[in-house]
Amino acid sequence: DTGVSQDPRHKITKRGQNVTFRCDPISEHNRLYWYRQTLGQGPEFLTYFQNEAQLEKSRLLSDRFSAERPKGSFSTLEIQRTEQGDSAMYLCASSLGSGTSSDNEQFFGPGTRLTVL
Amino acid sequence: QQPVQSPQAVILREGEDAVINCSSSKALYSVHWYRQKHGEAPVFLMILLKGGEQKGHEKISASFNEKKQQSSLYLTASQLSYSGTYFCGTYNSQGAQKLVFGQGTRLTINP
Repeated sequence: DTGVSQDPRHKITKRGQNVTFRCDPISEHNRLYWYRQTLGQGPEFLTYFQNEAQLEKSRLLSDRFSAERPKGSFSTLEIQRTEQGDSAMYLCASSLGSGTSSDNEQFFGPGTRLTVL
Repeated sequence: QQPVQSPQAVILREGEDAVINCSSSKALYSVHWYRQKHGEAPVFLMILLKGGEQKGHEKISASFNEKKQQSSLYLTASQLSYSGTYFCGTYNSQGAQKLVFGQGTRLTINP
């Protein structure tokens, strides 16, 4: 079991550039979540996939953010026209499909730290 | 609606006990507890479900008062390894897809 992996671990970009992050969940986990975490705060929910279907998206997520999970395995999170306020840690988590999300623990990856200059 | 955690921070000596509280203004279906060490990913500790079921660590205990919409995490005989920031996350219904985390409680254990 290799756990949830994320790539890259760190990303520094200039304001206005596009960035893409990748998440590989634990194999056979059909649920995948993206969160954003800023210093001193808890993870903030961004979006959720069950297999390849995106079932929930935070209203806080602007149109500059998009996420995909094309084959129900890995997922990508893209941020277009980055702003300094996008600087944060972006966490991915996965969970097993038994029951509902509310019944199951999530396993988090190490995160991608984004710095927008 | 984000759950509220208290205290925001606590400092203990090794061997002392701690209680971390999590309260919500909305009805809760489940409460999830995680611990995050500096620079690392959050690690699952426990789930408490409406109706009394619990899943998680045997050495960590917690309570869930559905009527008061509150949960408490009990850390007894604390060890240095317990240091970190503790987060509660809540689901308001069984079918909800969105886990909402509190702002965290920073626990420091000194020798």
